[in-house]
Amino acid sequence: DGGITQSPKYLFRKEGQNVTLSCEQNLNHDAMYWYRQDPGQGLRLIYYSQIVNDFQKGDIAEGYSVSREKKESFPLTVTSAQKNPTAFYLCASSIGGSRTEQFFGPGTRLTVL
Amino acid sequence: KNQVEQSPQSLIILEGKNCTLQCNYTVSPFSNLRWYKQDTGRGPVSLTIMTFSENTKSNGRYTATLDADTKQSSLHITASQLSDSASYICVVSGSGGYNKLIFGAGTRLAVHP
Repeated sequence: DGGITQSPKYLFRKEGQNVTLSCEQNLNHDAMYWYRQDPGQGLRLIYYSQIVNDFQKGDIAEGYSVSREKKESFPLTVTSAQKNPTAFYLCASSIGGSRTEQFFGPGTRLTVL
Repeated sequence: KNQVEQSPQSLIILEGKNCTLQCNYTVSPFSNLRWYKQDTGRGPVSLTIMTFSENTKSNGRYTATLDADTKQSSLHITASQLSDSASYICVVSGSGGYNKLIFGAGTRLAVHP
């Protein structure tokens, strides 16, 4: 898990509520990423940020929002607009630029009841 | 379309036996290929990373091969241990943009005593 922490490990929310997942890294990495993992599928990119105060949509950004106010933090908000939010969410970071290795956090399992 | 396909989906072997996992990709242009190990409920951890000019790389009992001409890779596990039980994910990186990774769905390996 390196220097990336995610909290909480498990999260339960009622349908229609927004929820924020935390991701912090102490690796001094410029780039950070959020992925969603569903059974039988590869990880899918939700949002990424290459530098503080900047972020870009990934392949499945609808229903999610992020902020990057500090280099070490990249929180993900799952909004009520996300139609199927129950999943395993993984945060990652890298030094930056292309071809650099991404290091993953331990993940947060979100269950919407 | 950029895709990464892995086979088999799941595999059961006895402790001490060897096994080989397969990965075929259609990502172009190609930058590098990585194999990750993901324990249940945890984040992926990197095992190996290979560029197009490398055709084999080892990490302990794990040996990855790459054939950039046929766009195939394999991960060979020698003398399996119970702790090898996990999902193994093949990830391919293109050579442009923001370090976008294309993830395979993984092979779930179970090592039985």
